[in-house]
Formats: sequence, structure tokens, C-alpha cells
Amino acid sequence: GDKVKQSPSALSLQEGTNSALRCNFSIAATTVQWFLQNPRGSLINLFYLVPGTKENGRLKSAFDSKESYSTLHIRDAQLEDSGTYFCAAYVGDNSKLIWGLGTSLVVNP
Amino acid sequence: NAGVIQTPRHKVTGKGQEATLWCEPISGHSAVFWYRQTIVQGLEFLTYFRNQAPIDDSGMPKERFSAQMPNQSHSTLKIQSTQPQDSAVYLCASSLDFANTEVFFGKGTRLTVV
Repeated sequence: GDKVKQSPSALSLQEGTNSALRCNFSIAATTVQWFLQNPRGSLINLFYLVPGTKENGRLKSAFDSKESYSTLHIRDAQLEDSGTYFCAAYVGDNSKLIWGLGTSLVVNP
Repeated sequence: NAGVIQTPRHKVTGKGQEATLWCEPISGHSAVFWYRQTIVQGLEFLTYFRNQAPIDDSGMPKERFSAQMPNQSHSTLKIQSTQPQDSAVYLCASSLDFANTEVFFGKGTRLTVV
């Protein structure tokens, strides 16, 4: 968690609202992945990013390698968005993903 | 594409027994990873194979834990003489290549040692 810092650590949202999660890197990240671990424990792939942005439905993610951060924006939050969001980064050709500690998100009706 | 398949999904063993966990990576993926997840420790890297060869086992406990990948279609994680502290969700993942490629996880095996 020291090399990849996720914020906030926990978040509670009302259904229909928007929010942003962030990962700051103290390492020279080359690619970033965002995962959602749902209440059943499955790790679901959300985004795989080289520097740039991607969008998928209500989710949008950006990775800025120069400024060493990545963001995940959730628009119109739904109950099924609840879970723990993890970001993880590769550094150069190192084969081990470096993980953040996660953001626990609860979406309330 | 069935994704990464892990079996069994749940396993209960008695203290001192052996547990073997199975993983079938996505077809064509050359990298296979094993992780362990607990509430206390979070997600911990255990070991990694590339083209079936063990590359990095720096996260494996030195005693009782071993991992093999006898062919490209499956890997096993074996825990001998299981202890209550081994109770965790064990996650297997695979990726097309060894770095900077998207990693996909299986649903995990929940091991409970009683």
C-alpha cells in the first residue's frame, strides 16, 4: 500500500450520485488496472490502462504516468456498484503487480 | 471463454491435513499467478509461473507451501499440514504475457482449516 496509495479508503454514496476514486503512485507505473471485488469476493476487471483515458458506461478512468496518478469516476451510482475497488500497477518489465489497499464503497438506496 | 477456473470453490480441512487447490488459466495465457487474501493481510502475492516455469515464489511461505504447473492448462497450490492461519481465499490469475498485460482472476478457493 505504500507504493500505491488509494483514496478514500471508504466511501458511502447515495444512489444516483457521482464520485471519484484515486490512486497515487510513488513508483514509475507503466500500466494500471482497476478491479471491483464484489460482495461475493470475485475480482472483476474494470479497466486496463496505458497512459490515457477509457470509458465504459457509467465508469470512466484516467491514468497520467507523468503526474503518477489514476482516477476512477463513477457516474449515477447504483446499488450493484457496492464493493471494494482496487487499483494495481505494473512498473516497467517487472512481472509483479503492485496493489493499493482498496476503496470500500457502499451505495445506499 | 470461461475465464480462469478454480476448483474447489470451498474447502474445509482439518488441522494437519493436506490441501490441494487447482487452477485452469485462460487458454493461451503464458503467465499464471497465485495470491492469498485475508481480512487482516489483504491481498498477498504468493508465486508466479511464466510458460509453466516458476519465476518468482518470493511470497510463498517457506514451509508447507508448494506450487506446480505441470502443463499449460493447469496449476496447483499444495499446502501440507494445514494450520488455522492458512485459512484464506486463494486466488489464481492469468495474463497473456508476463508484464504490462491485463490480468484476469478466478473466483477463488475459500480454504477453512478447522
